[in-house]
Amino acid sequence: DGGITQSPKYLFRKEGQNVTLSCEQNLNHDAMYWYRQDPGQGLRLIYYSQIVNDFQKGDIAEGYSVSREKKESFPLTVTSAQKNPTAFYLCASSSRGMNTEAFFGQGTRLTVV
Amino acid sequence: SQELEQSPQSLIVQEGKNLTINCTSSKTLYGLYWYKQKYGEGLIFLMMLQKGGEEKSHEKITAKLDEKKQQSSLHITASQPSHAGIYLCGADEGSGTYKYIFGTGTRLKVLA
Repeated sequence: DGGITQSPKYLFRKEGQNVTLSCEQNLNHDAMYWYRQDPGQGLRLIYYSQIVNDFQKGDIAEGYSVSREKKESFPLTVTSAQKNPTAFYLCASSSRGMNTEAFFGQGTRLTVV
Repeated sequence: SQELEQSPQSLIVQEGKNLTINCTSSKTLYGLYWYKQKYGEGLIFLMMLQKGGEEKSHEKITAKLDEKKQQSSLHITASQPSHAGIYLCGADEGSGTYKYIFGTGTRLKVLA
């Protein structure tokens, strides 16, 4: 079945450690996105990539890094520089172009203690 | 930058009642998407609206984009407990960057 897979679903890390969240899609989509969701704040864009080997910062990129070495994969690293990393992280993908919906993974809940 | 505002923020209805959720944009909408999210899960795509005045339905859920393309409404007829969740509207940012922006969501609870 085609879709987006995020792993793990739950992640616990100690403060000061970097952590990488996985996102894989088999929909052959060019564009991929990372969003952060906090209670009452909706989805905020962290990074997005429209094509392999290229990515752009979103609205809240500080403390995060990404790579796009393969079309299918768009991992997100939450670094120790991110001041409030505890959140629900959502990965999405879409075909490039206007008026095409984004497909979302099941999310990763990161808790930093 | 474009912003999407949803109202109400939360809604509690008795099973069988109708309800409406609104999404208002600060700029003209080029594509408006409705998603449903269950707590702690990903977003499920419901429908997309493009043209002013367009209306689409899926089962008991109907969405409409107004003529001026700055507001959309999502209407649920005869609500059921399975309709409970968070409803989010999303839009193409319209700057040619293929970015999506989202509203803050409406949390719906349906009492059996």
